[in-house]
Amino acid sequence: EMQLVESGGVVVQPGESLRLSCAASGFTFNDYAMHWVRQGPGTGLEWVSYISWDGSSTDYGDSVKGRFTISRDNDKKSIYLQLNNLRVVDTALYYCVKDSGYNYFDSWGQGTLVTVSS
Amino acid sequence: FVLTQPASVSGSLGQSITISCAGTSGDVGSYNLVSWYQQHPGKAPKLIIYEGTKRPSGISNRFSGSKSGNTAALTISGLQAEDEADYYCCSYVGSRRRVFGGGTRLTVL
Repeated sequence: EMQLVESGGVVVQPGESLRLSCAASGFTFNDYAMHWVRQGPGTGLEWVSYISWDGSSTDYGDSVKGRFTISRDNDKKSIYLQLNNLRVVDTALYYCVKDSGYNYFDSWGQGTLVTVSS
Repeated sequence: FVLTQPASVSGSLGQSITISCAGTSGDVGSYNLVSWYQQHPGKAPKLIIYEGTKRPSGISNRFSGSKSGNTAALTISGLQAEDEADYYCCSYVGSRRRVFGGGTRLTVL
């Protein structure tokens, strides 16, 4: 069974940094691209970032480009999201999501909560 | 949100409802790559439709997807109480990006 477990979400102040982690199991991790998707309090889903199977290609949503960095370690079957210069609007549940290889998401973690507040 | 969904829909037990997902020629209209996700309160989203019309294994055939022009749609027939949830459409937009709709809250009366 595919499983994704996120960690690292905490309460931080505006301008601070944070690193989220996602540990994968139950599938051949280094065969698949991965994404981060977030969901603000009481709001909808927002695609945040993508990383290819080998980490050579990445992309970001316009609202986080230049502040967030995605990376992966295939030996550890993990992906990461470095969040810099955090803003109150970045407050959200951050989901680690597996790409099926055919442009849809076929497995989601349970999310890790990031709260940005002064 | 780039894709437009109604904020809420409702239907009675046993009835059918349809949720629309309006995009543009740059996303929904260009690709047969719309997926739909169901999210119950406090839970992670779950894939229910992919590539516009296909159902993953284990998803009831009461769920069906379609597309016309720049608008995709999710139809749920024979509404059941457990269908009450939030529903999100998502489209591939080229390169490696994705866009979601704003989500639709389904209430089963």
